[in-house]
Amino acid sequence: DARVTQTPRHKVTEMGQEVTMRCQPILGHNTVFWYRQTMMQGLELLAYFRNRAPLDDSGMPKDRFSAEMPDATLATLKIQPSEPRDSAVYFCASGTGDVQPQHFGDGTRLSIL
Amino acid sequence: GENVEQHPSTLSVQEGDSAVIKCTYSDSASNYFPWYKQELGKRPQLIIDIRSNVGEKKDQRIAVTLNKTAKHFSLHITETQPEDSAVYFCAALGTYKYIFGTGTRLKVLA
Repeated sequence: DARVTQTPRHKVTEMGQEVTMRCQPILGHNTVFWYRQTMMQGLELLAYFRNRAPLDDSGMPKDRFSAEMPDATLATLKIQPSEPRDSAVYFCASGTGDVQPQHFGDGTRLSIL
Repeated sequence: GENVEQHPSTLSVQEGDSAVIKCTYSDSASNYFPWYKQELGKRPQLIIDIRSNVGEKKDQRIAVTLNKTAKHFSLHITETQPEDSAVYFCAALGTYKYIFGTGTRLKVLA
């Protein structure tokens, strides 16, 4: 069963530290999405890529967040410096870019102390 | 801009009763509408979807209806069971990206 893989699953760090979250999309998927979710609230879109090119990162605080796709098998989301308000679950999802569902990874639960 | 409104935000039903969750979308070009179920501490998982050329789709106890003219689509769960308790998200596919509703927390009371 093909799945989106996210690492780490949990991360606890102190404010001011750099945080890097990684996502391996499903093989053959060419769109990748990063979402943030707090307290089982809605899914806030941070950034998305198609064929590794960033299409929209308007949902992301640019001063501290950055998202990249170094290659087709890896997407990264970095926070530097991290702040307590960044504490949330970050989900990565991938899709084929056409009329098909996107599939979510298990998320990274981030706690900034 | 693109928007999806979802109602209600919380819904409690007795076990065995039906549950209905409604969504309205703004982008008339949207042509695909998935529904996701998210259990506590888990990832959202696709439970059913519908394309714009279809008015209704059923999968056992779950059904989705779509009214393109009114830009409404709804999730129907019949004979609810305690394991149906979760947060449900509707979504509409815009240009490459999905616009999600704000979620409905469904509680099925035994």
